[in-house]
Amino acid sequence: SYGLTQPPSVSVAPGKTATITCGGHNLGSKSVHWYKQMPGQAPLLVIYYDGERPSGVPERISGSNSGNTATLTISRVEPGDEADYYCQVWDNNHGHSWVFGGGTTLTVL
Amino acid sequence: QVRLVESGGTVVQPGTSLRLSCAASGFTFNSYAVHWLRQAPGKGLEWVAVISKDGRGDYYVDSVTGRFTISRDTYKSTVYLQMHSLRPDDAGVYYCARDQGRISMRGYFDHWGQGTLVTISS
Repeated sequence: SYGLTQPPSVSVAPGKTATITCGGHNLGSKSVHWYKQMPGQAPLLVIYYDGERPSGVPERISGSNSGNTATLTISRVEPGDEADYYCQVWDNNHGHSWVFGGGTTLTVL
Repeated sequence: QVRLVESGGTVVQPGTSLRLSCAASGFTFNSYAVHWLRQAPGKGLEWVAVISKDGRGDYYVDSVTGRFTISRDTYKSTVYLQMHSLRPDDAGVYYCARDQGRISMRGYFDHWGQGTLVTISS
């Protein structure tokens, strides 16, 4: 099955830029979606189709995808950004399957 | 607004069965596929199953194939997950989520429920 690799943790100071990566074989040929999950809450979609933002998600959250790596970038980090972030793709190499990365915990210092 | 409300989670013994429900509102139910996903305690997200918008197609993660069945009731705007032969590694919070994308069942999850907890314990 297709695998996605994320760093377990990323730390950033308030006001700085956080970068969370998601790696996978030829990932640039797939569409990557990102979710934010705060403790005890359901996941929330923050980026779809590599870099599109749902309504209500601030412009300082952006995404890109090329080669073997997709990137979620959070500019001007705020305390409320502290959460777990997951990347996700749809994979059809073995039937229909929706695959998640292992998740990255973003800590705001 | 779009709302998904899961129910049915409880404590069960290994080997037993359980049915979860996901009540949908705020959107045209027949126009969307719906997924079940889960999250084991302290772990990441795992997709479990999906049912097409017309209920004629379904897919499952390998670990539940043959044990779990997803279904939907148009009149009740509800999606179900029937789980049999439950194992300790089936424990966790189960979420239902609405399918979204340029092509149905090839995209992402744009709305999630709050989840229901399944505990497997003897």
